[in-house]
Amino acid sequence: EAQVTQNPRYLITVTGKKLTVTCSQNMNHEYMSWYRQDPGLGLRQIYYSMNVEVTDKGDVPEGYKVSRKEKRNFPLILESPSPNQTSLYFCASSPYGVTGELFFGEGSRLTVL
Amino acid sequence: AQKVTQAQTEISVVEKEDVTLDCVYETRDTTYYLFWYKQPPSGELVFLIRRNSFDEQNEISGRYSWNFQKSTSSFNFTITASQVVDSAVYFCALSEPLFGNEKLTFGTGTRLTIIP
Repeated sequence: EAQVTQNPRYLITVTGKKLTVTCSQNMNHEYMSWYRQDPGLGLRQIYYSMNVEVTDKGDVPEGYKVSRKEKRNFPLILESPSPNQTSLYFCASSPYGVTGELFFGEGSRLTVL
Repeated sequence: AQKVTQAQTEISVVEKEDVTLDCVYETRDTTYYLFWYKQPPSGELVFLIRRNSFDEQNEISGRYSWNFQKSTSSFNFTITASQVVDSAVYFCALSEPLFGNEKLTFGTGTRLTIIP
């Protein structure tokens, strides 16, 4: 089954404790991206990647890191999480970059205390 | 800079009524793409439609229709004869893919509630 898989789906952590949210897709898509969803703000792009070793900032990259060492994986790293990073995170992939349909993961709800 | 405005934060209609969700965008480019996504109460994001800036034809898919008007920078979404299953948050989005810009900008969403 074609899918984008995120883990963990739910996480409660404390300020400053490094964490990684994994994202994997099995559709051989070149484009992958991370978004955060907050009430009243919609979805905002954090980082995106056009291909292996090619990443770029979205609109809200502060406090996040990403890497794209393999085509299928695009982990989101919070080196020192803070409470303002409490949010619902979505990973997405696409075969045509931002000109085509995005396939989203199920979301990861992160709470930073 | 690219921007998407969904001024309707929440809409409630009675089942079987028609409802239109508004989307207004701002772009500096002549080549751009517009999208609608649906987020039902279960939380996943579902693609509904994509339209590029060179195709102003309106589209109909069953009870759903989309009205793209470049003159008013709008890409509105109409649900005809609404059903309870249409209850969801709907997002409009815009991309300007020229010159290596692979950002996708979403609006803040419209929460649609269909009352049985």
